[in-house]
Amino acid sequence: NAGVTQTPKFQVLKTGQSMTLQCAQDMNHEYMSWYRQDPGMGLRLIHYSVGAGITDQGEVPNGYNVSRSTTEDFPLRLLSAAPSQTSVYFCASQGASYNSPLHFGNGTRLTVT
Amino acid sequence: SQQGEEDPQALSIQEGENATMNCSYKTSINNLQWYRQNSGRGLVHLILIRSNEREKHSGRLRVTLDTSKKSSSLLITASRAADTASYFCATDANSGYALNFGKGTSLLVTP
Repeated sequence: NAGVTQTPKFQVLKTGQSMTLQCAQDMNHEYMSWYRQDPGMGLRLIHYSVGAGITDQGEVPNGYNVSRSTTEDFPLRLLSAAPSQTSVYFCASQGASYNSPLHFGNGTRLTVT
Repeated sequence: SQQGEEDPQALSIQEGENATMNCSYKTSINNLQWYRQNSGRGLVHLILIRSNEREKHSGRLRVTLDTSKKSSSLLITASRAADTASYFCATDANSGYALNFGKGTSLLVTP
């Protein structure tokens, strides 16, 4: 199984540009989430989804949109990129059992100039 | 907001030694998990301990949980160079999904 796949691995944007970070999982997991990781800040939750058609905000949602039209995919959209969004972005999926562990992708390293 | 805080921020030991990392959290939890992150990679789940458990083992890993002190520790015995990574504790939020992570402990194991 591929697990959680994130594309692209690297991306450079100019301020004001928009883009979509892709995330797909093949484990039929209901729950998916997006985190950003910054030096000295650990991982912070951006948005999460408990199933197709259902999304909610995490700790740092501003500047990001998500949608969940299928169980497999959970794209993260940057509406108008800002240098403060320079970060490493991780997508994770989680099984339906209450104590299921998170399965992470290998991340997208985004630089906004 | 971030729930867990790991201590120390960085730890450097030699192969064969034990490594202990601590995690403190702020509010009540249902479970606490530990994850490992190798450089340039995503996090990998190591072990989960439920709030009604005090200790759990998995291979060379030993996790303890003290809910009265809101703290947990991760012990890696007989460390190897391949254990070099960052280690994060995470507590459940949002009814058990989408965890809250601490800032991590960076472990360096030298041969």
